[in-house]
Amino acid sequence: DIVMTQSPLSLPVTPGEPASISCRSSQSLLHSNGYNYLNWYLQKPGRSPQLLIHLDSNRASGVPDRFSGSGSGTDFTLKISRVEAEDVGVYYCMQALEIPFTFGPGTKVDIK
Amino acid sequence: QVYLQQSGPGLVKPSQTLSLTCVISGDSVSSNSAAWNWIRQSPTRGLEWLGRTYYRSRWYHDYAVSVKTRIAINPDTSKNQFSLQLNSVTPEDTAVYYCARWYSGSRDSFDIWGQGTLVTVSS
Repeated sequence: DIVMTQSPLSLPVTPGEPASISCRSSQSLLHSNGYNYLNWYLQKPGRSPQLLIHLDSNRASGVPDRFSGSGSGTDFTLKISRVEAEDVGVYYCMQALEIPFTFGPGTKVDIK
Repeated sequence: QVYLQQSGPGLVKPSQTLSLTCVISGDSVSSNSAAWNWIRQSPTRGLEWLGRTYYRSRWYHDYAVSVKTRIAINPDTSKNQFSLQLNSVTPEDTAVYYCARWYSGSRDSFDIWGQGTLVTVSS
C-alpha cells in the first residue's frame, strides 16, 4: 500500500496570513498520462470530508482561489494564500493512483 | 446536484453484521463514470477506504485486504442505492462510516460524501 505522510500535524494560523501543508507519498503518484494522482480534502468540525483539490492542482467546484495545490512525484503542497476563519478543520491528502486508496494522517488547522 | 443519504443502525453487537445503506439522488448507481465506495474513520486508523462497487458493462467489486473476508458492497438498481455489509464485527470496527462517490475521468476523486454514520460495536 502507498503510505501518505503530512507535516505539520498541527498548524495554528493567523487570519489573513498564508499557510502551507506538506504531503509525501511512499511512491510516485505520477501517472503515465502526466497527472499526479493526489487529492486534498478538508474536514470541517462535525462534517464529512469535502474535496478541495483533485489531480494535484485542480480546485473542486466552488473552492475559493485562495487554495492551491502543487507538487509532483512524491512531494506535494497545499497552500492557502490568506487564511480565513472558515478554513479551520483537518486537511487530508489522499493518493488516488491505485487501490487501496490511502489518506494522510491529517493536519489540524486552527486559529491562533 | 448529487446527494448521498446514509441509513443504518448505530449500535451493533460483537460477532454480528454491520449493515448500512446509501441512497443516491442526482446520479445513478449504474453510471459508467462513477464508483460507489465505503470509507470509515476512527481515531486509531484515521480515514480508511473499505471498498467499492461500479458498473462498466458488468458489475465490479474491490475490497481492502484488511476486511476482504468479511465485507460485501452491493448495488441495488431498483432503489438506486448501494449497501455495506461487514460480518463478524469486533470493537475495532467502531468508527464513523461514510459512503462516497468516486468520479472518474476529469476528477478521479471522492467528490460527494454521505453525512456519515457512527457505528459502535458493543454488547
